Amino acid sequence: NAGVTQTPKFQVLKTGQSMTLQCAQDMNHNSMYWYRQDPGMGLRLIYYSASEGTTDKGEVPNGYNVSRLNKREFSLRLESAAPSQTSVYFCASRKGLTGGTSGELFFGEGSRLTVL
Amino acid sequence: GNSVTQMEGPVTLSEEAFLTINCTYTATGYPSLFWYVQYPGEGLQLLLKATKADDKGSNKGFEATYRKETTSFHLEKGSVQVSDSAVYFCALFNAGNNRKLIWGLGTSLAVNP
Repeated sequence: NAGVTQTPKFQVLKTGQSMTLQCAQDMNHNSMYWYRQDPGMGLRLIYYSASEGTTDKGEVPNGYNVSRLNKREFSLRLESAAPSQTSVYFCASRKGLTGGTSGELFFGEGSRLTVL
Repeated sequence: GNSVTQMEGPVTLSEEAFLTINCTYTATGYPSLFWYVQYPGEGLQLLLKATKADDKGSNKGFEATYRKETTSFHLEKGSVQVSDSAVYFCALFNAGNNRKLIWGLGTSLAVNP
């Protein structure tokens, strides 16, 4: 029972390098999310996809792009990494139908990114 | 707007002590309320939830009651264990808020044997 799978789990980048974080869920969920978690700042939403084919900005989208490749997969790309993007990144999914009220999210194990 | 405020940590308790982590919220309409837990090195997972006023969510010995009159959803456990050491997040879901969760900043709990 895989749930939400993120890769890679750890990555070290140099300033200016690019990379893509991959996320896949096998629960047939409609909505998917990317968060970053920093000490003392809780979880901050980067981008989300309410349904296949749509993406929207969250609280902190600058420096990131996303692709909802299909219903299962939602990737996060850093085009030109900066030290301020050093963080732990979490992908999450929600069953979420239009107009649905359930807020239960299922999280991946996280991807720890360090930008030097 | 919608917001969640939870007590700052870290909280340090001895095993078998009583735990309370306070959470209050501001919201329009009738939100659902959640407690998530994050064990070291892991992602968050749902601990319990309540979808309407006066509901009590419970799981693994933890409880929280949705109090609309005090706009609160405090997390309690009567006797904590070392294995409860984790970070606890209070969250609010309001279907009118583009279906996004609003998160508290998290409270770190350390339980000593």
